[in-house]
Amino acid sequence: GQQLNQSPQSMFIQEGEDVSMNCTSSSIFNTWLWYKQDPGEGPVLLIALYKAGELTSNGRLTAQFGITRKDSFLNISASIPSDVGIYFCAGQAGRTGTASKLTFGTGTRLQVTL
Amino acid sequence: DSGVTQTPKHLITATGQRVTLRCSPRSGDLSVYWYQQSLDQGLQFLIQYYNGEERAKGNILERFSAQQFPDLHSELNLSSLELGDSALYFCASSSKEGLYAEAFFGQGTRLTVV
Repeated sequence: GQQLNQSPQSMFIQEGEDVSMNCTSSSIFNTWLWYKQDPGEGPVLLIALYKAGELTSNGRLTAQFGITRKDSFLNISASIPSDVGIYFCAGQAGRTGTASKLTFGTGTRLQVTL
Repeated sequence: DSGVTQTPKHLITATGQRVTLRCSPRSGDLSVYWYQQSLDQGLQFLIQYYNGEERAKGNILERFSAQQFPDLHSELNLSSLELGDSALYFCASSSKEGLYAEAFFGQGTRLTVV
């Protein structure tokens, strides 16, 4: 099935550093979501974006809905050890039927060293 | 705790067998979605139900089927299992149809086919 291209695939950073990751698609999405998944757990929603150009923050996390509606970015500021995990972007094309399904990115694995 | 309960957490079974995975959505949520997560495929949408009716279908194999019962719990049936069906299976629930921003994921069922 279709997947969104997410980069980087993995990153090792030091505590306190800022992190950036992005997600691109060949098709337009009308909603972009960012999830974090810890080992053995289900994905947890971090940020939801509904409008092209929208910039939304959730604590140290900031995400943007790309103006073309084909990409999205997630930034984490001043990373801490508990930021470790896999971050997934997800896009939704519409609100009903098959268009409402979430298409997930390939994931960015984040590891934070002290 | 997302409020979405999946059972069992782990399942080991042999090729050719059939298994049933169960999902209890959050109280009051009418929508249930099933996803498959394998190492090389990321999170793949399988199927969605809303208030007992199938609403959207992803790349779900013909050997797989699902249903949502009047009490809103859902079951995913996997039959004629193959080694490649080994994966994490997640369900998510939402209070509305198609509004994924409110979708909460369960902890998943890890299926191992031997």
